Amino acid sequence: EVQLVESGGDFVQPGRSLRLSCAASGLTFDDYAFMWVRQAPGKGLEWIGFIRSKAYDGTTEYAASVKGRFTISRDDSKNTAYLQMSSLRTEDTAVYYCTRVPNGSGWPGYFDYWGQGTLVTVSS
Amino acid sequence: DIQMTQSPSSVSASIGDRVTITCQASQDIRNYLNWYQQRPGKAPKLLIYDASNLERGVPSRFSGSGSGTDFTFTISGLQPEDIATYFCQHYDNLVYTFGPGTKLDIK
Repeated sequence: EVQLVESGGDFVQPGRSLRLSCAASGLTFDDYAFMWVRQAPGKGLEWIGFIRSKAYDGTTEYAASVKGRFTISRDDSKNTAYLQMSSLRTEDTAVYYCTRVPNGSGWPGYFDYWGQGTLVTVSS
Repeated sequence: DIQMTQSPSSVSASIGDRVTITCQASQDIRNYLNWYQQRPGKAPKLLIYDASNLERGVPSRFSGSGSGTDFTFTISGLQPEDIATYFCQHYDNLVYTFGPGTKLDIK
């Protein structure tokens, strides 16, 4: 059974940094791209970015709202993807989900497995 | 940027009813349209991909259709466990845009 488990969510002040982790099991981690999606309280879903598999050079893509502040990485030896967030803003407050893309490239772009999410609260 | 709209924003229906939700794109997106269910307090779940393909393990009462700019998601025979918010999602050219969602509850 495929499982994605996010961790690292916390309460942080604006301008600080935070790293989220997504530990995967029940799959051949190396084969897949992983997307991060967030959901502000009571709001809709917003894609943040994704990382391709090593077969596609592990390259990353980001939404305009986080580009330059957020960095996605992966450690295939640990079956884990990461979301490094810096210069956090109050509007980054959200539940952050890790999702699997059922291919290594990010195309086609649907997400067939989701973690349970981890809450990040940015407030002074 | 392509904009996605969904209608209705909320709907109430009775058990056994047929429920239809529409998603409209601001320009032609071919069949690059997916549907997700999010039950209260839970993560989203993929139901339909590429407009009309039922994800493995998803009950056959769920279906999707459409191409271009207009898409339809249908529940044929509403069940109590279908109470959720439903999102469409478009992907293309490194953009993955979700619709605003349709909240479904039982009448």
